[in-house]
Amino acid sequence: QKEVEQNSGPLSVPEGAIASLNCTYSDRGSQSFFWYRQYSGKSPELIMSIYSNGDKEDGRFTAQLNKASQYVSLLIRDSQPSDSATYLCAVNGIKAAGNKLTFGGGTRVLVKP
Amino acid sequence: IAGITQAPTSQILAAGRRMTLRCTQDMRHNAMYWYRQDLGLGLRLIHYSNTAGTTGKGEVPDGYSVSRANTDDFPLTLASAVPSQTSVYFCASSPYHHSYNSPLHFGNGTRLTVT
Repeated sequence: QKEVEQNSGPLSVPEGAIASLNCTYSDRGSQSFFWYRQYSGKSPELIMSIYSNGDKEDGRFTAQLNKASQYVSLLIRDSQPSDSATYLCAVNGIKAAGNKLTFGGGTRVLVKP
Repeated sequence: IAGITQAPTSQILAAGRRMTLRCTQDMRHNAMYWYRQDLGLGLRLIHYSNTAGTTGKGEVPDGYSVSRANTDDFPLTLASAVPSQTSVYFCASSPYHHSYNSPLHFGNGTRLTVT
């Protein structure tokens, strides 16, 4: 079992719809959870961080964390073509080398006009 | 513009050759990291440094070495390149070595092809 798992996609959503991305993790000791966006050929950029159970909203993005079920999700409201990218879930873990972040494989999102 | 500079942007390297990927940051971040990104495998940590003078092994350290002589520079060396090291390499930094509330900032990456 991978430590951080994401559906690779592509997740195809029409413009204006909600894109829902999920991420599960195996290390129950994880405390920090991040979502990065990566455009093709570019480097990852941080879009959301969440540390406690519940929802955290930032503009059109909402991160949801459920530590009991060991999943973190990202909702993108009013999806735009510019949201087309790969979204990487990253989780810290006490089992990881140096307590560093472990990344999922990413979910590719395609927003169609 | 403050950030992380990686060099070269891309490189084609013959197997068996030695190669150093350069990484410099000007944000005075304590921690620095090297990741490789391969299709379907995501980002995997190669080596890290919590602060100048210290380094540690990540998930996939074999075949790579690093040094951290000062805060700003964190070069990654492939002593004898092999085709399986063909990948995109990202250098990253964070203000603190613990990941809580200390997210990563990434460089633009180096695309390395080993033939």
